[in-house]
Amino acid sequence: DTAVSQTPKYLVTQMGNDKSIKCEQNLGHDTMYWYKQDSKKFLKIMFSYNNKELIINETVPNRFSPKSPDKAHLNLHINSLELGDSAVYFCASSHRTGNSPLHFGNGTRLTVT
Amino acid sequence: QKEVEQNSGPLSVPEGAIASLNCTYSDRGSQSFFWYRQYSGKSPELIMSIYSNGDKEDGRFTAQLNKASQYVSLLIRDSQPSDSATYLCAVPNDYKLSFGAGTTVTVRA
Repeated sequence: DTAVSQTPKYLVTQMGNDKSIKCEQNLGHDTMYWYKQDSKKFLKIMFSYNNKELIINETVPNRFSPKSPDKAHLNLHINSLELGDSAVYFCASSHRTGNSPLHFGNGTRLTVT
Repeated sequence: QKEVEQNSGPLSVPEGAIASLNCTYSDRGSQSFFWYRQYSGKSPELIMSIYSNGDKEDGRFTAQLNKASQYVSLLIRDSQPSDSATYLCAVPNDYKLSFGAGTTVTVRA
């Protein structure tokens, strides 16, 4: 059973397009996150939701819009994609915010051409 | 100052040796510390958690925490080729987990 699942695994698209990444967790966790991992492997938080409420928005361009319809789902929509958006995007969840370890999804490799 | 800093790699060790990875953090109030392992093309996987000063052992892995020095380390004993991966230190900070840049370990057969 997959604990944190995200789709798609690969996403190749052209500049200017709009795309979405979906994430679902079946761990019963209250908090979900989006992290971006760049080509140098640095993992940087983008957003965090606790029980459908946005609690962290780390200076991410407003072309990125997260949506959490319920506490088991956190989707990421990206408008007007740019070359610099190419990265691996990880969804994660944790039992509670802050001191709990994260459980990661398998990642979505986004390539913008 | 970065929230979490790791010793820069890459680190190459012979099979059977001890690999030592270091991490320092800036938030003196942090209470929990995590080590993740990430294989190339895969997602980070939690391998160790430590909450108290001292050592914590789990199989061939030992985590060491010194809160006074704001320092946490990971030792991999009897290193195996399957340990070749990037190791990420993670520390809570302002309701999120902040990660170090990672140390890439290569175990030579």
